[in-house]
Amino acid sequence: ILNVEQSPQSLHVQEGDSTNFTCSFPSSNFYALHWYRWETAKSPEALFVMTLNGDEKKKGRISATLNTKEGYSYLYIKGSQPEDSATYLCASPSWVGRDDKIIFGKGTRLHILP
Amino acid sequence: GAVVSQHPSRVICKSGTSVKIECRSLDFQATTMFWYRQFPKQSLMLMATSNEGSKATYEQGVEKDKFLINHASLTLSTLTVTSAHPEDSSFYICSAGPADTQYFGPGTRLTVL
Repeated sequence: ILNVEQSPQSLHVQEGDSTNFTCSFPSSNFYALHWYRWETAKSPEALFVMTLNGDEKKKGRISATLNTKEGYSYLYIKGSQPEDSATYLCASPSWVGRDDKIIFGKGTRLHILP
Repeated sequence: GAVVSQHPSRVICKSGTSVKIECRSLDFQATTMFWYRQFPKQSLMLMATSNEGSKATYEQGVEKDKFLINHASLTLSTLTVTSAHPEDSSFYICSAGPADTQYFGPGTRLTVL
């Protein structure tokens, strides 16, 4: 069973500062990693889908890197703004036997302090 | 270990039949659970909010008569896809959590032939 871990669980960052957090996953049988920005009771907003080792993707002030050999991905936010406050989820689809599953991490809750 | 489970993990059915998917919180009580669906290569989309002991709240564009939600206990919510058609084939995922923390289930892959 795939296990996706995120750290830290919660993070407080001063407005204007940059920050980053981690998603780790088993490196065997990997084929994709998804990052979402999510507010509870809303549809998660897809940020990145990453598939290749060494991938680096960027969307505005947010970027992500992927290391499939060691099983981790970093999400970076540059110059944090209040609207960045949210939970950031990573998820990895997995094919186990005849069933496919998507396993989510527990998320990193980011709070931007004014 | 997993704190939210879903059953079945995979179901294949004929067009016109109904399919029930269960979402269970394993070690906490959940007065609210959320149901999502994910089409291939697309993001999760919130379908509805399941409320224990009362009616579910559906997102705009989601047919409440087609996607029946029952939240009869504090640990179980069910989603029934009625008269399923091939376009309902998707990945259905639930989430639940104590307070303001949410955990996602592993999902149910529905294929309608």
